[in-house]
Amino acid sequence: QKEVEQDPGPLSVPEGAIVSLNCTYSNSAFQYFMWYRQYSRKGPELLMYTYSSGNKEDGRFTAQVDKSSKYISLFIRDSQPSDSATYLCAMSAETSYDKVIFGPGTSLSVIP
Amino acid sequence: DAGVTQSPTHLIKTRGQHVTLRCSPISGHKSVSWYQQVLGQGPQFIFQYYEKEERGRGNFPDRFSARQFPNYSSELNVNALLLGDSALYLCASGRRDYNEQFFGPGTRLTVL
Repeated sequence: QKEVEQDPGPLSVPEGAIVSLNCTYSNSAFQYFMWYRQYSRKGPELLMYTYSSGNKEDGRFTAQVDKSSKYISLFIRDSQPSDSATYLCAMSAETSYDKVIFGPGTSLSVIP
Repeated sequence: DAGVTQSPTHLIKTRGQHVTLRCSPISGHKSVSWYQQVLGQGPQFIFQYYEKEERGRGNFPDRFSARQFPNYSSELNVNALLLGDSALYLCASGRRDYNEQFFGPGTRLTVL
């Protein structure tokens, strides 16, 4: 079992839909959780950063962490064609780059 | 301010050759990290340098080496290239030892 699992998609939704992206993990020591967006031919861009369990909202994006289920989610409200990208979850147990584990990413297409 | 820049954009090499990839961090950033992203997977940590000292090393063979220069730019060197080294190599910079990282667009390396 991989440490971090993510449905690779592709996920295709109509413009304006609510998108739910999810990751599961196996290491109960993870406590820092991140979501990155990666456009084609670009580097990843940090969208959300959360510590421990709970919800965090930033504009149209909401990140949820359920440590008891080892499950994290990213919700995108009122999705736009510009949201079409690959979304990577990442997590770590410690505050050091060498301990951050990335998921494989989910490819999202928002159709106008 | 310019973002993280990487050169070259694309590179084609043959097995056994050596390659040098370059990264210029955002002005004022002293931390530089290198990642390897194979198609369909998330980035994997290779090295981190902060204030010209190695702060972290991922699970990569000794064929991979890096350094950071006094102006905080960095080089990643890979010797004796293998087909499996074909990937997108990402550089990320940050202000301090551990905080938000900003990724460059990457160098796509193809080994034939």
